[in-house]
Amino acid sequence: EAEVAQSPRYKITEKSQAVAFWCDPISGHATLYWYRQILGQGPELLVQFQDESVVDDSQLPKDRFSAERLKGVDSTLKIQPAELGDSAMYLCASSFPRETKNTEAFFGQGTRLTVV
Amino acid sequence: AQSVTQLDSQVPVFEEAPVELRCNYSSSVSVYLFWYVQYPNQGLQLLLKYLSGSTLVKGINGFEAEFNKSQTSFHLRKPSVHISDTAEYFCAVSVRGGYQKVTFGIGTKLQVIP
Repeated sequence: EAEVAQSPRYKITEKSQAVAFWCDPISGHATLYWYRQILGQGPELLVQFQDESVVDDSQLPKDRFSAERLKGVDSTLKIQPAELGDSAMYLCASSFPRETKNTEAFFGQGTRLTVV
Repeated sequence: AQSVTQLDSQVPVFEEAPVELRCNYSSSVSVYLFWYVQYPNQGLQLLLKYLSGSTLVKGINGFEAEFNKSQTSFHLRKPSVHISDTAEYFCAVSVRGGYQKVTFGIGTKLQVIP
């Protein structure tokens, strides 16, 4: 069964260091999402890609966060420098296979980031 | 912009009892509605979705939800819960058309008591 792959599953980093997360969506999915989920809260959209283009990054803290999806397939989310408040689960999701009308987002297992 | 309100942060219920998790949404245009479940340290798994048609939607694990346009609600129900249903449940909405940003509620923790 096709699934969204994320790595690493867990990451511990020191404050002010750089950290990166990787996501490989389900093959053929045009839309890719990065969400941040702080403990006890719902997922908050950070950035949404349609193919290789960013269509929504209104909640992305652009002074320290960056995201790219260069070939419209896999994606990387980077934080530099990391702050204590960035500790959270980072979830990647994909949707919209081109050949169907499925609209739900399929989620990866997430990356649990702890900043110390 | 769309938004989701989950009215209960925690719902304790005894095993084999029925449960309802409440969700209300706000949007100026037509929407798609979803319920997801999340187990500890896992991603989100789709339980069910409403796209169009019948307002009663059946999902996995015996859950169902009813879309009520006049009350802008999409409450999740199960007639008899099991210990394994203990998890966090998220209601989500996306608007029809456009790039379909998916917006989530804050979640409801369902605690099934033996």
